[in-house]
Amino acid sequence: NAGVTQTPKFQVLKTGQSMTLQCAQDMNHEYMSWYRQDPGMGLRLIHYSVGAGITDQGEVPNGYNVSRSTTEDFPLRLLSAAPSQTSVYFCASIASGGAGTGELFFGEGSRLTVL
Amino acid sequence: AQSVTQLGSHVSVSEGALVLLRCNYSSSVPPYLFWYVQYPNQGLQLLLKYTTGATLVKGINGFEAEFKKSETSFHLTKPSAHMSDAAEYFCAVRGGSSYKLIFGSGTRLLVRP
Repeated sequence: NAGVTQTPKFQVLKTGQSMTLQCAQDMNHEYMSWYRQDPGMGLRLIHYSVGAGITDQGEVPNGYNVSRSTTEDFPLRLLSAAPSQTSVYFCASIASGGAGTGELFFGEGSRLTVL
Repeated sequence: AQSVTQLGSHVSVSEGALVLLRCNYSSSVPPYLFWYVQYPNQGLQLLLKYTTGATLVKGINGFEAEFKKSETSFHLTKPSAHMSDAAEYFCAVRGGSSYKLIFGSGTRLLVRP
């Protein structure tokens, strides 16, 4: 039972570099989302998707790009990394029909440091 | 729009003492409320949730929370703290038919021996 899988778990970047955080789920969940976690600020929603081909912005989308070509995968791209993007990133998904009452399932997180 | 306020970024209790973590929410529609726990270097795990019906909700590991609409609160309690309860706890709210879950800033629970 893999659930939500994130890679890499750790990454160090230099300012201006680009990278992609990968997220895959094997539960056939329609809804997937990316959060960033910073001390004292809880989790803030970056982008989300309600199905293949459909994405939308969350609370803090600037500097990030997403796409959803399959139900399983929802990668998060940093086009030009900045120190302010140093954070722990979590991918989470929810089953179709789970709007409202459904539980979010989380990956284990990806810790990104931008120098 | 929805928002969550968690009072106290750190709460310290003695082992065996009552745990009380406070959460107040704001929602323009009837809310669905959640408590998640995060152990060090791990993702978040659902403790309990309120959807409809009984306002006192029981979760895993002996935790429970009560939805009080008049106070817009959803405080988390546990009668007797255990060392293994040391973690960070997040309250979250979702409104209506939305998928989006909005989190509070978290409360770190410390349990003293």
